[in-house]
Amino acid sequence: DAGVIQSPRHEVTEMGQEVTLRCKPISGHNSLFWYRQTMMRGLELLIYFNNNVPIDDSGMPEDRFSAKMPNASFSTLKIQPSEPRDSAVYFCASSLDSLLDEQFFGPGTRLTVL
Amino acid sequence: AQSVTQLDSQVPVFEEAPVELRCNYSSSVSVYLFWYVQYPNQGLQLLLKYLSGSTLVKGINGFEAEFNKSQTSFHLRKPSVHISDTAEYFCAVSRTKAAGNKLTFGGGTRVLVKP
Repeated sequence: DAGVIQSPRHEVTEMGQEVTLRCKPISGHNSLFWYRQTMMRGLELLIYFNNNVPIDDSGMPEDRFSAKMPNASFSTLKIQPSEPRDSAVYFCASSLDSLLDEQFFGPGTRLTVL
Repeated sequence: AQSVTQLDSQVPVFEEAPVELRCNYSSSVSVYLFWYVQYPNQGLQLLLKYLSGSTLVKGINGFEAEFNKSQTSFHLRKPSVHISDTAEYFCAVSRTKAAGNKLTFGGGTRVLVKP
């Protein structure tokens, strides 16, 4: 298996633009997680899905952020409009369905908002 | 609510020396505990986890951790480090009654192994 796939690996955009980050989880995994990592705040869980349904989005910072999982093999995290403080590395992770299964992380998307 | 504190943000260590990374947690319920490692420019990988049973847990790459309920700690150790162990290490907790396996991460400890 190729592991969790994220695209793009790097994104540079200007303030106010829409940004879409993409994730393909490991085949057969039913839980998917979006994290954000910054120097100031460390690693934060933004939202997670189970069987394509959002379970907990309490970590989503504000309405500018939205996430979707239209099917079991694809998820997006969208920021509209983007702001410089959104600059971070965004990780997607997936796991099997049961509680406490290991989460497998993708390589991350490094987002820079100018 | 639960929280995780990693007491050291950076730990320099010489090659072949032992290393201990400290992790303390707070939670009103029982928790499961994890250590993840992040190599430069990569995602996180699971090193080991404690779910139940023996309080000494062995993981990959020669790492081990000991769960101490009375001290609410889960310190990570390796008796002899290699240059390749240079990475950032994250302690994480998950509540037993959580829906799914939502993790709360500590702030991370950056380990720099010197020759």
